[in-house]
Amino acid sequence: AQSVTQPDIHITVSEGASLELRCNYSYGATPYLFWYVQSPGQGLQLLLKYFSGDTLVQGIKGFEAEFKRSQSSFNLRKPSVHWSDAAEYFCAVGSYSGGGADGLTFGKGTHLIIQP
Amino acid sequence: DAGVIQSPRHEVTEMGQEVTLRCKPISGHDYLFWYRQTMMRGLELLIYFNNNVPIDDSGMPEDRFSAKMPNASFSTLKIQPSEPRDSAVYFCASSPNRAGQPQHFGDGTRLSIL
Repeated sequence: AQSVTQPDIHITVSEGASLELRCNYSYGATPYLFWYVQSPGQGLQLLLKYFSGDTLVQGIKGFEAEFKRSQSSFNLRKPSVHWSDAAEYFCAVGSYSGGGADGLTFGKGTHLIIQP
Repeated sequence: DAGVIQSPRHEVTEMGQEVTLRCKPISGHDYLFWYRQTMMRGLELLIYFNNNVPIDDSGMPEDRFSAKMPNASFSTLKIQPSEPRDSAVYFCASSPNRAGQPQHFGDGTRLSIL
């Protein structure tokens, strides 16, 4: 069974500082990996995805993530955070085969707090 | 472009009542997913459809839960009878039938069962 681990429940970062959110996955085949962000009372917004090809993917709002197969990781990074980045961040894994798509398996999320 | 539309945004009802949550997927998307989000269990997949046909309902917690997709532009998730432990945020998502395409989420329905 596939699983996603986000080891950090909460992270506090000063505004302007760099950010890295960790994500490890367990999946038998080549996964599709996603990072979503959720603001309070809102749905999930896609930040970026990895499907194939270049293992460093760029997303919206200045975020990037790197797929490392050897480490089963897909960490999210941002060089300089803004107060508006405070939110809940979810890593997710999915698949697509000849039978079609599967539902996503999500990590428990990382709550990002930005200090002024 | 219109995104995934869910209604109602909030629902408060007493235990034992029937609850119906509604979802309109993005036009042209073949897949529709229902998820539930709670503090204890996080985001869980309940059921998903492809071309209006249920593909996997193994995440549906009990027989009290049922979901339908009568056409490509509408789906319902019904709980009957509802219980306090069903209180959660329920999300609907849709995606195209192409490899690597992400799911697009609605804003969710916050359900409180008293």
